[in-house]
Amino acid sequence: EAGVAQSPRYKIIEKRQSVAFWCNPISGHATLYWYQQILGQGPKLLIQFQNNGVVDDSQLPKDRFSAERLKGVDSTLKIQPAKLEDSAVYLCASSLELAGLQETQYFGPGTRLLVL
Amino acid sequence: KQEVTQIPAALSVPEGENLVLNCSFTDSAIYNLQWFRQDPGKGLTSLLLIQSSQREQTSGRLNASLDKSSGRSTLYIAASQPGDSATYLCAVITSGSRLTFGEGTQLTVNP
Repeated sequence: EAGVAQSPRYKIIEKRQSVAFWCNPISGHATLYWYQQILGQGPKLLIQFQNNGVVDDSQLPKDRFSAERLKGVDSTLKIQPAKLEDSAVYLCASSLELAGLQETQYFGPGTRLLVL
Repeated sequence: KQEVTQIPAALSVPEGENLVLNCSFTDSAIYNLQWFRQDPGKGLTSLLLIQSSQREQTSGRLNASLDKSSGRSTLYIAASQPGDSATYLCAVITSGSRLTFGEGTQLTVNP
């Protein structure tokens, strides 16, 4: 079974530029998550999709971050414009359904973003 | 707001030692608690999942316990090996299906 795929693996941009990350979840997984992991911290949920609908985006900085999941499969996360504090690893995860009593999330390798 | 704390932040032990990693959370109304492993430059791998009604889960040399009422969990690693070197993250799910992570314990097992 193929895992969660993410691209690119690394990205270096200057502040105020735009950047986009792509995620392909495990086939058949209805729920998709984007996390931000700043160095030395645990991942923080940015947005959660159930199929192509948003379940939770309460921690997404909506003035500069946006995400979409067209057709309920692949997803893109965009930052426009980027700030220095956006330097982090962006992790995508998927699960069969909404995480609950037994459901676990499967994580991709992440995209490491450096904003100069 | 749920907060998860992990102690210690870093741990270095000689090979073969048994060790315990600690996790505490502020809101006991959780659905489950999970322990993840993160290797440098890689994503997270789920190690153990304990449902809120359970007290512990075991997988090989790993044993995780959960005391929901006191808001604590421990991950016990028996007979540690250099390949166990990684960052270990604790995470809980409360209502709304959001995973809240601790900051992790960076483990180094020396040969």
